[in-house]
Amino acid sequence: EVQLVESGGGLVQPGRSLKLSCAASGFTFSNYYMAWVRQAPTKGLEWVASITNSGGTTYYRDSVKGRFTFSRDNAMSTLYLQMDSLRSEDTATYYCTRDQGTTRGPLFDYWGQGVMVTVSS
Amino acid sequence: DIQMTQSPASLSASLGETVTIECRASEDIYNGLAWYQQKPGKSPQLLIYNANSLQTGVPSRFSGSGFGTQFSLKINSLQVEDVATYFCQQYYDYNTFGAGTKLELK
Repeated sequence: EVQLVESGGGLVQPGRSLKLSCAASGFTFSNYYMAWVRQAPTKGLEWVASITNSGGTTYYRDSVKGRFTFSRDNAMSTLYLQMDSLRSEDTATYYCTRDQGTTRGPLFDYWGQGVMVTVSS
Repeated sequence: DIQMTQSPASLSASLGETVTIECRASEDIYNGLAWYQQKPGKSPQLLIYNANSLQTGVPSRFSGSGFGTQFSLKINSLQVEDVATYFCQQYYDYNTFGAGTKLELK
């Protein structure tokens, strides 16, 4: 059974940092691209970042470029999202997702339970 | 960027009814369209991909159709467990989500 378990969320002041983790199991982790998708309270879904199966290439939405760093450890089947210079608009539930793989963009076939990040003074 | 417009934003339907949700893309996305279901307090789940392919394990009362810029999700014989918010997502040109359609029971 595919499982994605996020951790590391919490309350943080604007301008500070937070690091999210996602532990994956139930599939061959190193074969899949992975992604983070977030959802602000009572709002819709917003893709944040993706990473290739090797970890060699990452993609970010414009609003987090230069502030967020997505990485992975294939030996540990774990993803990391380092979030620096946090802003109030980064407040959201962050979901770790698996990319099913298409010839075009990402398709999210499994989702974690989500972890809440609140940026507030 | 490709914009995705869903309609309606919310709807109310009775048990056993057939429900249709629409999604329009701002430009041609061919069949690069997925539908997700998010039940209250839960994570989203993939229902449909490639506009009309049912994800493994999804009940057959769900179906998707469309191509190009106009797409729809149909739910036949609405069940209690279908109460959720439904999102479309285009993945033809990287990816964009629609704003969601909240489905409630009448």
